Amino acid sequence: KAGVTQTPRYLIKTRGQQVTLSCSPISGHRSVSWYQQTPGQGLQFLFEYFSETQRNKGNFPGRFSGRQFSNSRSEMNVSTLELGDSALYLCASSRGSPDYGYTFGSGTRLTVV
Amino acid sequence: AQSVAQPEDQVNVAEGNPLTVKCTYSVSGNPYLFWYVQYPNRGLQFLLKYITGDNLVKGSYGFEAEFNKSQTSFHLKKPSALVSDSALYFCAYSSASKIIFGSGTRLSIRP
Repeated sequence: KAGVTQTPRYLIKTRGQQVTLSCSPISGHRSVSWYQQTPGQGLQFLFEYFSETQRNKGNFPGRFSGRQFSNSRSEMNVSTLELGDSALYLCASSRGSPDYGYTFGSGTRLTVV
Repeated sequence: AQSVAQPEDQVNVAEGNPLTVKCTYSVSGNPYLFWYVQYPNRGLQFLLKYITGDNLVKGSYGFEAEFNKSQTSFHLKKPSALVSDSALYFCAYSSASKIIFGSGTRLSIRP
């Protein structure tokens, strides 16, 4: 079966722009979580959605937002991009609670110039 | 505060030798603990998890981990390392429907 699909794989944006990243979870998985990975901060939790509702949110500014659609696909948006937003953004899905583990996508590498 | 700690940024092992990647936890109650591996330019891959039961957990690619409650540790082990095991390894715990990761340990296996 298909894994977690993230698009695009690579993205270059300019400071001040906004960006939308997409994640399609494994079929049947209703929970989607997003992480930011940087060399300095490691893996940081952004938010988690289940059945179109945000269940959990990490400690990120309001410029970072997300949503989930009825087919469980999820998008995250970052507005007013800053250089520090350059990172690998990872999406992960699970059937119900993430407590039992995730399946990760390959990520979107965002570079802000 | 709850956390997992990976005390070593880098571990170097010769191929064929046993390997250990260390993790200690500070998590209340009965922790759910995980190990994930990340290869270059890829997402994380699940290796194994401890939820309850046997303290020795067997996972993918010949890896295993031992849950030690008295030492609050969950070290990842493999009896004989392969060059292809070279990657970034993360210990993690779950809390309130999210998984929190340690800082990662880079494992380098030399031929």
